[in-house]
Amino acid sequence: GQQVMQIPQYQHVQEGEDFTTYCNSSTTLSNIQWYKQRPGGHPVFLIQLVKSGEVKKQKRLTFQFGEAKKNSSLHITATQTTDVGTYFCAGPYSGTYKYIFGTGTRLKVLA
Amino acid sequence: DTGVSQDPRHKITKRGQNVTFRCDPISEHNRLYWYRQTLGQGPEFLTYFQNEAQLEKSRLLSDRFSAERPKGSFSTLEIQRTEQGDSAMYLCASSPRGSYGETQYFGPGTRLLVL
Repeated sequence: GQQVMQIPQYQHVQEGEDFTTYCNSSTTLSNIQWYKQRPGGHPVFLIQLVKSGEVKKQKRLTFQFGEAKKNSSLHITATQTTDVGTYFCAGPYSGTYKYIFGTGTRLKVLA
Repeated sequence: DTGVSQDPRHKITKRGQNVTFRCDPISEHNRLYWYRQTLGQGPEFLTYFQNEAQLEKSRLLSDRFSAERPKGSFSTLEIQRTEQGDSAMYLCASSPRGSYGETQYFGPGTRLLVL
């Protein structure tokens, strides 16, 4: 079945350093969504990418969707302690409404 | 607050008992999802409703799991004859009408512990 993997699984950075998480799907995705989940919280929607090669920015966050629509990345510039949490990508399975979430990247930011 | 709400927030039950969870989506959101999340893992899709119709259901769901959304508003998820492996966070999310692939707004979840 369809799988969505993320690397790295964990990342510890010093405050101010950059951070990148990569998302790879075994199948082509019609769109990809990114979510952030704080410890003890629920996933919160960050952004959706739809077009091949699309790049979107939200302040210090940059999201990319691969040309083949099978991979995506999230880059955070100059991390802050408020960026702590687990970042998940998610994509629909074969044009259905069944969303497959990635394995997640847990980010810790050391002050 | 008009976000997604779930009830109860925590549930402890003994193996073999039945449990039912409720989800109230954001008003006028016609799409509703149920997910299960275990520690250190991403949310795992269980089922999807569009209005009152259950359009998608994971094959991971055994016959012990059933979900309803009778009037296209709130939804319930029932687990019969609970097993220890059912212990997890059960998350509900809703999405507004619109084009394919809308934002999913998650509720706070119901944490289930099966003893």
